[in-house]
Parts: sequence; structure tokens; C-alpha cells
Amino acid sequence: QVQLVQSGAAVKKPGASVTIACKASGYTFTTYYIHWVRQAPGQGLEWLGIINPSDAYTKYAQKFQGRLTLTGDTSTSTVFLELSSLRSEDTAVYYCARDLILAAGNDFDYWGQGTLVTVSS
Amino acid sequence: DIVMTQSPLSLAVTPGASASISCRSSQSLRHNDGYNYLDWFLQKPGQSPQLLIYFGSDRASGVPDRFSGSGSGTDFTLTISRVEAEDVGVYYCMQALQTPWTFGQGTKVEVK
Repeated sequence: QVQLVQSGAAVKKPGASVTIACKASGYTFTTYYIHWVRQAPGQGLEWLGIINPSDAYTKYAQKFQGRLTLTGDTSTSTVFLELSSLRSEDTAVYYCARDLILAAGNDFDYWGQGTLVTVSS
Repeated sequence: DIVMTQSPLSLAVTPGASASISCRSSQSLRHNDGYNYLDWFLQKPGQSPQLLIYFGSDRASGVPDRFSGSGSGTDFTLTISRVEAEDVGVYYCMQALQTPWTFGQGTKVEVK
């Protein structure tokens, strides 16, 4: 069955970086984009960026340009999110979600379980 | 960026009744291929969001037919018929027409 399994919670100090993993299984890894979405405590959903694991193409929300890096490892079917220069406002649950590359629709059909990142001094 | 506006922001519904949530976009979500690039998600308490509707009106796999989506262009509606206790949570619309993908503020649905 399709699964997106994310790495565990992290606590970071302001100014540090965090890396979150999203490991895919149950489908052909290179046929789906991976999106990253975050949710601050008690808040709504915010899209961060997207990666095509087959060619490493990425697109980031302008708000995160320069701080966000998405990478993929086809050998382990894993996508990584790295967010640098963390501030308290980055405290949130981060989700990965898949999106079929060759056809529109039925996007974000599977999500990871979420990873809580807490930024605190 | 395309701005997504939902209303109402909260809703209390009696079991068995119907509920409707509106979502408006700041520009048309109708693509050249004729589809409206509008999704609906439900985030149940303590869970990840789950896809309910894509292309504005197509139900995702496994979604009960009590959930239906309608609308085109800039105005969309999610209707939940015969609301059940398990339908509680926050409902989000999201546009997938252009980057950045953007979400509505969310509508919290409670069952009385």
C-alpha cells in the first residue's frame, strides 16, 4: 500500500537548520511529485515547495526562497526538506504529499503523517 | 498569488442534515483543458489532511458519495449531505492551477 513516512519531531534553536525526510513506498517513486506543506499551531495550511524526484526539478514558494532546499534520493525513495535560518515562526507541523506527474487531478492523494518542528531558544 | 476565501469559517450541523461550504478564488481556476483546478480536503482532529474532491467535483477514491463538489471559475461549493459524526474537522479548499498552490483559511465543522 502507498505510504509516505516522515522522520520524527525536531527541536531547533533560532538560526539553526532542520532536515526532514519523507520516505515513499508502495508506488513508483519517480512518477509522482512530492509537495511540502506546513501548518503552524492552530493555523491553516501553507504550501512550501515541490520536487520532481525523477529529475530533481524544484519550485519554491517565494517566501522561502534562499532558505528552503528540497532534494531527493531515488535509491531510497526518499525526499528531504531542509529549512535554514530557523525562526520561531517556523514552528509548525510539516507534511509531504504526492502528486502524479503525468496527469492532473487526484493530486495530494496521499500525505505523510507530519513532522513537528519546534524552534525555541 | 491566487487568494482563496472560504465561508463560513465555522459551522455546527445536526447529524443527518446537510452542510455547505463556499470557496472563492481571486482569479478563475478554469484551465485550458476545461477542468477547474480546485481541490477540497478534510483534516480530522490530530490527522493529516485527506483529499475529498479534485477538479472541483470529482470525488477521490474511497470518499463517500455524501460529499459533492460543484462550481466553476471562481466560485465553488462543497456540500456534505446527511452529515455524520465522523465528518467533524476542518475543511480546506486549495487551488492547483498555478504556483504557489494556495489554500483557503479552513472551515471548522462540528456536529451538534
